[in-house]
Amino acid sequence: DQQVKQNSPSLSVQEGRISILNCDYTNSMFDYFLWYKKYPAEGPTFLISISSIKDKNEDGRFTVFLNKSAKHLSLHIVPSQPGDSAVYFCATPQGGSEKLVFGKGTKLTVNP
Amino acid sequence: EAGVTQFPSHSVIEKGQTVTLRCDPISGHDNLYWYRRVMGKEIKFLLHFVKESKQDESGMPNNRFLAERTGGTYSTLKVQPAELEDSGVYFCASSQQLRGVGTEAFFGQGTRLTVV
Repeated sequence: DQQVKQNSPSLSVQEGRISILNCDYTNSMFDYFLWYKKYPAEGPTFLISISSIKDKNEDGRFTVFLNKSAKHLSLHIVPSQPGDSAVYFCATPQGGSEKLVFGKGTKLTVNP
Repeated sequence: EAGVTQFPSHSVIEKGQTVTLRCDPISGHDNLYWYRRVMGKEIKFLLHFVKESKQDESGMPNNRFLAERTGGTYSTLKVQPAELEDSGVYFCASSQQLRGVGTEAFFGQGTRLTVV
């Protein structure tokens, strides 16, 4: 039983358009979320995070939205670039510990 | 500043053999984590060191896995004896502060372990 779910294994978008990656979680006690980006043969790289006291956090082309009532967050990339093609993981620290619980990831392909 | 480095990048061993993975965290990072991703599945937590102490090892699959962090610097993860289901990519991560101040963990490139 996954606590963090990324239901779309893959997403393909055209360069310049918006990419929207989704993530759902099961535990309403989760209060901090992170998005990691992973290129092949590399480790995950931190992209952006959001605390549950906010519903939006923006960093350049990347914006994360949090809907606590729906236990849902999304990552928006605008405009999408071919270099954004990677696997994106949603993650959250579990309970009060420091261990991260990850989703299975969504592979984003941005076509030129 | 050097990032988190892991060695080796790939390892292919036979079932029953022993393998030792190494992780060098970012200098000054007290927190060190091991994670594993089995193909097609999510990245799963294995254990967490704070300096040389094991803070949380709840994710270790069984007693064939032994992690150490002598002196609070680099860490090793030994699998002995290896089984087929141990195949996957093992990631190490480190962080300087606890999450309460919003610090993320930095990951190494991973060690791809294949047990045949």
